Amino acid sequence: ETGVTQTPRHLVMGMTNKKSLKCEQHLGHNAMYWYKQSAKKPLELMFVYNFKEQTENNSVPSRFSPECPNSSHLFLHLHTLQPEDSALYLCASSQDLAGAFEQYFGPGTRLTVT
Amino acid sequence: GENVEQHPSTLSVQEGDSAVIKCTYSDSASNYFPWYKQELGKRPQLIIDIRSNVGEKKDQRIAVTLNKTAKHFSLHITETQPEDSAVYFCAAHNNNDMRFGAGTRLTVKP
Repeated sequence: ETGVTQTPRHLVMGMTNKKSLKCEQHLGHNAMYWYKQSAKKPLELMFVYNFKEQTENNSVPSRFSPECPNSSHLFLHLHTLQPEDSALYLCASSQDLAGAFEQYFGPGTRLTVT
Repeated sequence: GENVEQHPSTLSVQEGDSAVIKCTYSDSASNYFPWYKQELGKRPQLIIDIRSNVGEKKDQRIAVTLNKTAKHFSLHITETQPEDSAVYFCAAHNNNDMRFGAGTRLTVKP
């Protein structure tokens, strides 16, 4: 599937590093999401964007900083992370927020913080 | 906000048996209830969904029921096969917010 792509697929970073995760959707959707998936919380919503505007920040620490330059691209900027931030980060998109639409997930970025 | 609870967290069945996963939600304004399947190492994918104006929906071996009064909905898989083994997530959507349950790890033993 190539509808929603994420890069990199794997990332190992130290606690003092700065890195960015990238998500791109080729479906013409208006809403994009970041999720954190770990053993403790299987699908934890982090951020929601609709028409490039952030509509939700689900009490995420400031060391995670999202950016949505247009409806097709979504970034998650990471800095001074903690080992407990190690997880699979999933991006998703849907046609819109209002109404109810299927979310299409990307393959995820497996992040390890050392 | 919406709160979704899902049970059981793990479920093991023999091939050919049925599997049932149950979810409850808290926000009576929720009107869309999708179910996602996530196979090991893969992304979650929608398998079936139901909207609040419908009580039951079926697609081959998979069915979902919704009880709006009680605020609960269930996934039913009949004639289970080993390839049904995965983690299943329910979710509830109320126009601007979708929340997922904690997931159920289903194992179908051949």
